[in-house]
Amino acid sequence: AQSVAQPEDQVNVAEGNPLTVKCTYSVSGNPYLFWYVQYPNRGLQFLLKYITGDNLVKGSYGFEAEFNKSQTSFHLKKPSALVSDSALYFCAVRDQLTDSWGKLQFGAGTQVVVTP
Amino acid sequence: SAVISQKPSRDICQRGTSLTIQCQVDSQVTMMFWYRQQPGQSLTLIATANQGSEATYESGFVIDKFPISRPNLTFSTLTVSNMSPEDSSIYLCSALGAGRSTGELFFGEGSRLTVL
Repeated sequence: AQSVAQPEDQVNVAEGNPLTVKCTYSVSGNPYLFWYVQYPNRGLQFLLKYITGDNLVKGSYGFEAEFNKSQTSFHLKKPSALVSDSALYFCAVRDQLTDSWGKLQFGAGTQVVVTP
Repeated sequence: SAVISQKPSRDICQRGTSLTIQCQVDSQVTMMFWYRQQPGQSLTLIATANQGSEATYESGFVIDKFPISRPNLTFSTLTVSNMSPEDSSIYLCSALGAGRSTGELFFGEGSRLTVL
């Protein structure tokens, strides 16, 4: 069965510093990988996805993520964090081999706190 | 992208009662889903809402507890039946993107239910 691990419950970073949120996955087939962000009392907003193609994926709000097949990772990065990036970030995976569209396995989430 | 509206946004319910959540998408979408986010936890897929037929439920979720309707391509309802405090969660409606948004899930802002 597929799974997603976000090893850090919380990441603290000062504004202007690089931000990295880690994600590793396990699937039987090829992965479709996603990052979502959830602001307080809001639904999830899509940030970026990896389906196929270039391993480096650029998404919304200056975020990017790199698909690393050998390390089964899909870490989210932003070169310079903003206070407004403080939110809950979820990594998600769909196993192309076994999962129907819409069935995403979500990680536990990582709370990002950016301090001024 | 699709804009998804849910109502109610939040409610406080008494044990043993039922509540129906409505979900409206601003464009025709092929697939709609219902997710649950329990307090402090990640998201879990409840079911796929199928137009004009019975929903497809994930393991651990049953129709008697979570009846779902989808009368057309833009509207779905989820009922949480005979509620108990364990049903206190955020319930999220989602829709599958198409075209450039293929594979992406768009989410509503969620319906936060508290069961007393």
